[in-house]
Amino acid sequence: QKEVEQNSGPLSVPEGAIASLNCTYSDRVSQSFFWYRQYSGKSPELIMSIYSNGDKEDGRFTAQLNKASQYVSLLIRDSQPSDSATYLCAVIRGSQGNLIFGKGTKLSVKP
Amino acid sequence: KAGVTQTPRYLIKTRGQQVTLSCSPISGHRSVSWYQQTPGQGLQFLFEYFSETQRNKGNFPGRFSGRQFSNSRSEMNVSTLELGDSALYLCASSWIGLAYNEQFFGPGTRLTVL
Repeated sequence: QKEVEQNSGPLSVPEGAIASLNCTYSDRVSQSFFWYRQYSGKSPELIMSIYSNGDKEDGRFTAQLNKASQYVSLLIRDSQPSDSATYLCAVIRGSQGNLIFGKGTKLSVKP
Repeated sequence: KAGVTQTPRYLIKTRGQQVTLSCSPISGHRSVSWYQQTPGQGLQFLFEYFSETQRNKGNFPGRFSGRQFSNSRSEMNVSTLELGDSALYLCASSWIGLAYNEQFFGPGTRLTVL
């Protein structure tokens, strides 16, 4: 079982819709969770971090964490074509661990 | 505040050569981590430096090494390059590198090994 799993996509949604991106992780001691956005040919850009169970909202983005189910998700409301990118889920185990990345989900927002 | 900078942005080398990549973290950040990104393996952790000491290391061969200077700038070295080392090399900086510190990536160095 991979440590961090994401559907590779592509996930295609129409402009204005809600895009839902999902991520599962295998290690129960994981305690920090991040979503990065990566445009083609660019480096990853941090868009959300979440550390405790529940929802965290930032503008059009909402991260959801369920440690019991070892599941973290990212919702993008009012999706725009500029949101088209690969979204990477990353997890840190322990108190000072490195980022462990999923392979990413490619999102395409159609005008 | 200036972001993470990496130099050079692009490199072309031949097998057997060695290469040194440089990373300057965000001002005030003391932890620098290096990652390799390839289409097949995705983003993989190489190592992390804090206060000039390697604190964490991924599962890469000894040909991959790094160091950090007193001003937190970091270098990464790859010796005896192989074709499979062609990748985007990314560095990320964070304040002190603990689990609750966010990591911010530089633009990366695209290495091509011929």
